[in-house]
Amino acid sequence: AQSVTQPDIHITVSEGASLELRCNYSYGATPYLFWYVQSPGQGLQLLLKYFSGDTLVQGIKGFEAEFKRSQSSFNLRKPSVHWSDAAEYFCAVGGSYIPTFGRGTSLIVHP
Amino acid sequence: KAGVTQTPRYLIKTRGQQVTLSCSPISGHRSVSWYQQTPGQGLQFLFEYFSETQRNKGNFPGRFSGRQFSNSRSEMNVSTLELGDSALYLCASSYWGLPDNEQFFGPGTRLTVL
Repeated sequence: AQSVTQPDIHITVSEGASLELRCNYSYGATPYLFWYVQSPGQGLQLLLKYFSGDTLVQGIKGFEAEFKRSQSSFNLRKPSVHWSDAAEYFCAVGGSYIPTFGRGTSLIVHP
Repeated sequence: KAGVTQTPRYLIKTRGQQVTLSCSPISGHRSVSWYQQTPGQGLQFLFEYFSETQRNKGNFPGRFSGRQFSNSRSEMNVSTLELGDSALYLCASSYWGLPDNEQFFGPGTRLTVL
């Protein structure tokens, strides 16, 4: 069965600092991997996705993620965080037709 | 293009009642998926409809059902509500659907069961 683990429930960073959100997955074949962001009172917005090819994926809002098959990881990064990045971030694995989401990481940004 | 809309945005029901939630996808999208989001269980997939047919179903009891109309609008129904059904219900639309098409999410319907 597929699964996703986001080890960090909360992460606090200062505005302008770099960010890395961790995601580990379990899936039998090559997975489809996604990162979504959810702002309060909003639905989810896709930041980026990985299906195949280049393991470093660029997304919207200055985010990127790197697929590492050997570590079963798909960590999300941003070089400089803005206050507007404060939100809940979800990693998800697809591949089968039933997507599985991680429990989410809440990002807090200090001015 | 208008985004995904969900109605109502908030709903309060009592145990034992039933509820119907509505989702209007982005124009041209043929797939609608439904998700339940709770603090305890996180985001869980309910089902996906594509061209009026249920294509995939998550691990939820039969009290949770849905349908899709010819204009791709979808409804989700929960019968015999339980306290544990209190959640944010999200729908998402895409053109070709799961697993690889980008899904566009609506703002959700917040259901409270008393």
